[in-house]
Amino acid sequence: NAGVTQTPKFRVLKTGQSMTLLCAQDMNHEYMYWYRQDPGMGLRLIHYSVGEGTTAKGEVPDGYNVSRLKKQNFLLGLESAAPSQTSVYFCASSRRINEQFFGPGTRLTVL
Amino acid sequence: RKEVEQDPGPFNVPEGATVAFNCTYSNSASQSFFWYRQDCRKEPKLLMSVYSSGNEDGRFTAQLNRASQYISLLIRDSKLSDSATYLCVVNMKGSGNTGKLIFGQGTTLQVKP
Repeated sequence: NAGVTQTPKFRVLKTGQSMTLLCAQDMNHEYMYWYRQDPGMGLRLIHYSVGEGTTAKGEVPDGYNVSRLKKQNFLLGLESAAPSQTSVYFCASSRRINEQFFGPGTRLTVL
Repeated sequence: RKEVEQDPGPFNVPEGATVAFNCTYSNSASQSFFWYRQDCRKEPKLLMSVYSSGNEDGRFTAQLNRASQYISLLIRDSKLSDSATYLCVVNMKGSGNTGKLIFGQGTTLQVKP
């Protein structure tokens, strides 16, 4: 099993550009999450999903959109990237409220 | 006030030392508690869950004090490989049981030879 994978691993964007981050899990987990991690801030929840076709806002959802069309995939979109969105993005999945398994992260820089 | 607070450190200790981290949480309705470990430039991974009665896993001991709303992690006989950031994590059960976790900013441990 690959666990949780994220694509891409690194990306540099210019302000105003758009992009989609892909998260895939092969553990048949119901729950999936997108976090961002910034120095001194810890992990902050952007959006999450409790099942295929459902999404909900987390702590810092502004500027991001998500979709969960298939149970194994959770997409995070940035419609118009801003320098404040420079961060490390982690995807995670879990079976309900149990241990969350994280992907390796995507390092995004917005210039 | 942050929902989960930790001393960011760094804690610099020699090999073989015993080191303890504390973490406080603000929501008394919190139900589940965890310690995650994060190595530099890597993803967080579950180290151990924290149970009301306290629990031990080898050199690691976790304790929960609900009355004072804090959890602790004790590492005995520190190894160089224990150098990492330790994240205190709390599950805030809300409507719908979403499984959302709240992460502290982490405490950095550096074990020196």
